[in-house]
Amino acid sequence: EVQLVQSGAEVKKPGESLKISCKGSGYSFSSNWIGWVRQVPGKGQELMGIIYPYDSDTRYSPSFQGQVTISADRSISTAYLQWGGLKASDTAMYYCARLRYLDWFLDFWGQGTLVTVSS
Amino acid sequence: EIVMTQSPATLSVSPGERATLSCRASQSLSTLAWYQQKPGQAPRLLIYGTSTRATGIPARFSGSGSGTEFTLTISSLQSEDFAVYYCQQYHNWPFTFGPGTKVDIK
Repeated sequence: EVQLVQSGAEVKKPGESLKISCKGSGYSFSSNWIGWVRQVPGKGQELMGIIYPYDSDTRYSPSFQGQVTISADRSISTAYLQWGGLKASDTAMYYCARLRYLDWFLDFWGQGTLVTVSS
Repeated sequence: EIVMTQSPATLSVSPGERATLSCRASQSLSTLAWYQQKPGQAPRLLIYGTSTRATGIPARFSGSGSGTEFTLTISSLQSEDFAVYYCQQYHNWPFTFGPGTKVDIK
């Protein structure tokens, strides 16, 4: 059974750094792209970027380029999303999702990580 | 960037009735996906390749369309179908979502 298990909710202050994780199981983690999706209530969903764990090839949406870093460690089947300096506007639910092999839609999703940034 | 729009924003439907959700793209697409999201849950893949149902998705869900106009139809709404539905284009990077259509009980 394919599963993506994300790290727990975080509460941070503006300017702090953060790295959240997404661990895959039940499939060959290196073979599928993983994406990170931001969901803000009332603002829909945005695919921030995707990473191919086999070689860490990464693509960012222009809206998120330079704002976050996506990485992966295929040895432990885990992808990461990190911020160097959080802002209140980063408050959102973040989902990781697997992209179907040889295709680009999101076929399995993690349970989500709620990030709250508040002073 | 391809902009996706969905209509209506909210659709009120009685159980057993048919629901038709629309999705429009700012430029022509080769393919589209639909996702369902219930409160407190992650989105779930319903349809990919415009019209192919994902594994385990009931036959009452169907997708159609081409070019810039796409439709998700739920033939006979069941109680578990009341949710928010999003379309997503994966034709050009960055892949983008529509703002969603909420299907609620009439």
